[in-house]
Amino acid sequence: EVQLVESGGGLVQPGRSLRLSCAASGFTFDDYAMHWVRQAPGKGLEWISGITWDSGSIDYADSVKGRFTISRDNAENSLYLQMNSLRVEDTALYYCVKGFGEDWGQGTLVTVSS
Amino acid sequence: DIQMTQSPSTLSASVGDRVTITCRASQSISSRLAWHQQKPGKAPKLLIYKASSLESGVPSRFSGSGSGTEFTLTISSLQPDDFATYYCQQYNSYPWTFGQGTKVEIK
Repeated sequence: EVQLVESGGGLVQPGRSLRLSCAASGFTFDDYAMHWVRQAPGKGLEWISGITWDSGSIDYADSVKGRFTISRDNAENSLYLQMNSLRVEDTALYYCVKGFGEDWGQGTLVTVSS
Repeated sequence: DIQMTQSPSTLSASVGDRVTITCRASQSISSRLAWHQQKPGKAPKLLIYKASSLESGVPSRFSGSGSGTEFTLTISSLQPDDFATYYCQQYNSYPWTFGQGTKVEIK
């Protein structure tokens, strides 16, 4: 059974940093591209970043480019999202997503507020 | 960026109804379209991929069709468990984009 377990969310002040993690199990992690998708409270889904299986290609949404960094450790079956210069509008539930969207974690909540 | 426009935004229907949701892409995405179902407080769940392929374990009352820029999700006979919000998603190119969602409510 595929499991994606996010962690690292919390309450943080604007301008500060946070690092999210996603622990993957139940599938061959390095066979898949991985993504982060977020959902602001009461809003729709927004893709923010993706990384290929070998980290050879990485993309970001314009809304986070230059502030967020995606990475992965295939030996540890883990995906990461380093979030710097956080803004109030980054407040959302952050999901770890496998492949083209076939599996989603339960999400970790990031709240940016002073 | 490719814009995904879903309609309707809200749909009121009864158990047993046939329901159709439409998703339009601002440019061709071939068949690289997925449909997800999301219930309150839960993560999205994949229903359909490659526009018309049913994800394993998803009831056969769900079906998808279309290619290029026009896509539909059909629920042939709405069940109580189907009241939820549905999103289309294109994965043809980055950035992935989602429709704004269609909330299926009980009539």
